[in-house]
Order: sequence, then structure tokens, then C-alpha cells
Amino acid sequence: QVQLQESGPGLVKPSETLSLICNVSDASVSSKTLYWSWIRQPPGKEPEWIGHIYDGGKTLYNPSLKSRVTISVDTSKSQFSLNLNSVTAADTAVYYCSRIKAIKGGLWFRYFFDSWGQGTLVTVSS
Amino acid sequence: DIQVTQSPSSVSASVGDRVTITCRASQEIGNWLAWYQQKPGKAPRLLIYTASNLQSGVPSRFSGSGSGTDFTLTISSLQPEDVATYFCQEGNIVPYTFGQGTKLEIK
Repeated sequence: QVQLQESGPGLVKPSETLSLICNVSDASVSSKTLYWSWIRQPPGKEPEWIGHIYDGGKTLYNPSLKSRVTISVDTSKSQFSLNLNSVTAADTAVYYCSRIKAIKGGLWFRYFFDSWGQGTLVTVSS
Repeated sequence: DIQVTQSPSSVSASVGDRVTITCRASQEIGNWLAWYQQKPGKAPRLLIYTASNLQSGVPSRFSGSGSGTDFTLTISSLQPEDVATYFCQEGNIVPYTFGQGTKLEIK
């Protein structure tokens, strides 16, 4: 059973870059059939999909964050990472990494999130 | 973006009751909807995907139905461990929006 674990700083200053790593056990981050995602959840609100990576390095991002987000993968370490630059207080949230359940319907894949890390709270404050 | 609206925002029911939560999408999404359970301080857990398919390991008292724009999550017989917040999520179009959540409590 896949296990995911987030790590990174819990406090980031405004205008700086938020960087997190997700370590993956019992699954391959380089698999062509597995997709890996970052999701965040501000306190008391619903989750928000940030983006995902698949097929060894292809990415798809939330349009609202696309200009500030980079997701990358390090297959040698079985991990993938999130960088979010120019952060503000609005980026304060619990950040989760997740495996995607990708289901093909017609020509396209649709995505649900079937395994999650425990989450890590990142606070943006000076 | 597709908007997904859940109702009610909170519900209180007794052990053994049948509980229903609804999710409405702002445009047709076929059956591309999932339901999650989130307990305090924990990550969400996938319960149902493609509107009605039970995720492995999820108790059979949970079921999902619907297609198009209107969807339902049903708990057939509420158990104390079902106290949680429940979210729906559309999986059809970026940015795969989640509903605002329904908080379920025991009377």
C-alpha cells in the first residue's frame, strides 16, 4: 500500500518561496500510469487542487496558481516536490501530497485522489 | 470553473439513522464525481468515485448515486465513527473543484 509523507518548513515569509517534498513508499514516482498531486486546504475551508505530475515529468497546474507553481520529480529519491513562489498570507494552508486515481472516459482521463499524506501546515508570516 | 455546491452545510443525526448529503455541479459532469470523508486533523479519505463506485476498504453502508449535475452520498445506518466533514469533488475539468463540505454530527 502506497505511503506518502510531506516535509518542509512550517513557516515561510511573505514574498518568499514555499518548498515542500513528498516521499513516496511502495510505488514508483516514475511510473507512466501513476499520477502525483499536491493539494492544499486553508484552515476551515475545502481542499484546493494545486497541480500534478505524471509520466516522468509532465505537469498540469491549477490556472489560478500556474504562474507561481512548479512541481517536479526526483526518481532517484522516490520523491516529488512543490515550489510556490511569491507567497502571501492567502497561501497559509495544510499542504497534502496525494496519489491520483486516473480513470479514462472517452478520450480523456479524469482524476480523483485515492491516497494522501498526513499533511503539513505551512504558515506565511513575517 | 465548475462550481460544486453541497447541502446541507451541517447535519445532525442519531446512530442508526439514514443520512443523505447532496452535491450539485454548475454544469454537467457525467458521473465524474467523488466523495471524501475528513476527520479532524486528518487527511481526506476517498469513499466513492465515479459517483457510485465504492473505494476499496470503505464500509458498504456508504453509497453514492447521481449523474449530470445532481449527486447524493448516503450513509444507510449512521455509526459513531462516521462523525466527520464530507466533501464532494468534480473530476471532469481543471481545477477539479471540491465542494464546501458538510459537517456530520451525532445527536
